[in-house]
Amino acid sequence: EVQLVESGGGLVQPGGSLRLSCAASGFTFSSYWMSWVRQAPGKGLEWVANIKQDGSEKYYVDSVKGRFTISRDNAKNSLYLQMNSLRAEDTAVYYCARDQTAFGYGMDVWGQGTTVTVSS
Amino acid sequence: DIQMTQSPSTLSASVGDRVTITCRASQSISSWLAWYQQKPGKAPKLLIYKASSLESGVPSRFSGSGSGTEFTLTISSLQPDDFATYYCQQYNSYPITFGQGTRLEIK
Repeated sequence: EVQLVESGGGLVQPGGSLRLSCAASGFTFSSYWMSWVRQAPGKGLEWVANIKQDGSEKYYVDSVKGRFTISRDNAKNSLYLQMNSLRAEDTAVYYCARDQTAFGYGMDVWGQGTTVTVSS
Repeated sequence: DIQMTQSPSTLSASVGDRVTITCRASQSISSWLAWYQQKPGKAPKLLIYKASSLESGVPSRFSGSGSGTEFTLTISSLQPDDFATYYCQQYNSYPITFGQGTRLEIK
């Protein structure tokens, strides 16, 4: 079964750091771009970042540039999002997704999400 | 950044109705558009990619059309399972952006 499982969310103070993980199974992880997408409470979807199969290309939404870092470990079939200098507006459910947009398709596999709350 | 604007924001309809949701891009995105369905507390689900291609396993009552700046998602005959929020997404250029969502509710 093709599956993505996020972990690492939680409550963190403003200015703090958190590292999210996404474990992939059921497909050849190293063959796919991967993305992080977030959804603030009661709001719509916002793409955060994505990473090429070998990690050589990474793209970010402006609001997280310089604070968030996307990475992957293909040997461990895992995707990561290191989040530093967290702000209240980063509070959201964070989803990882298999990203086929570079090939003209969409984001066809999603995890269940992990919740990040930034609050003092 | 390319802005994606969906209309309407909320749509009330009945089982069996034909409904159309519109998505407009602030500049041309060719056909690089996807549609997603999201139910409360769940992850989004890909329905349509490349504006009009149906994702595997998605019922044929869903269809997409358009190119350039104007796109539509049509559900030909609403089923109870279709009441959800729908998002369009452009992937013509970075940053990838979503529309604000259209909530489809039961009339």
